[in-house]
Amino acid sequence: QVQLQESGPGLVKPSETLSLTCTVSGGSISSYYWSWIRQPPGKGLEWIGYIYYSGSTNYNPSLKSRVTISVDTSKNQFSLKLSSVTAADTAVYYCARYAAGGRDGYKSPVDYWGQGTLVTVSS
Amino acid sequence: SYVLTQPPSVSVAPGKTARITCGGNNIGSKSVHWYQQKPGQAPVLVIYYDSDRPSGIPERFSGSNSGNTATLTISRVEAGDEADYYCQVWDSSSDHVFGTGTKVTVL
Repeated sequence: QVQLQESGPGLVKPSETLSLTCTVSGGSISSYYWSWIRQPPGKGLEWIGYIYYSGSTNYNPSLKSRVTISVDTSKNQFSLKLSSVTAADTAVYYCARYAAGGRDGYKSPVDYWGQGTLVTVSS
Repeated sequence: SYVLTQPPSVSVAPGKTARITCGGNNIGSKSVHWYQQKPGQAPVLVIYYDSDRPSGIPERFSGSNSGNTATLTISRVEAGDEADYYCQVWDSSSDHVFGTGTKVTVL
């Protein structure tokens, strides 16, 4: 059973960079696409971006200028960096896996989610 | 950008049928996935590729997709079905898009 676990600071100051890591256990990070999705308190889900195990990425255009997603296959981890954060970036951040492996896997649904981690942007 | 519109809320009595719609331009030409999210929990996939059910999801959950509307149907609703439900598609211009979400209340 694949499990995902987010880790990182729960409090980030405005204008600084939010950094989170997702550790994958119970399966290999290889051959799949991996995603970050967030949910502001009381609001809906927003896709942030995804990365293939090979390192290719795609980001939500509304966040593209501030987002970097990277992967470390040796550690079975992938990471999110979001720069110049404001209070609007306060949210529960989920890491997730797309169900289908292979090059078109990013078109498939999300089948595994992390439990989510709340990141608050405040001074 | 591609937009998916859902009703904010749906109320249903136990044992009855709940229908949650997801509207989008020509959504019938896309594959729609549905997620259930209970308070404080991560979303769970309940329907994928319009009408397929993952293992472990009750047969009471079904989906359809045609024209400009996709629908998630929950038959014989139980108290445990009370949750937020989100539709989601992959679009070639907008990439991953989630619907606005629908809160299902069991009366």
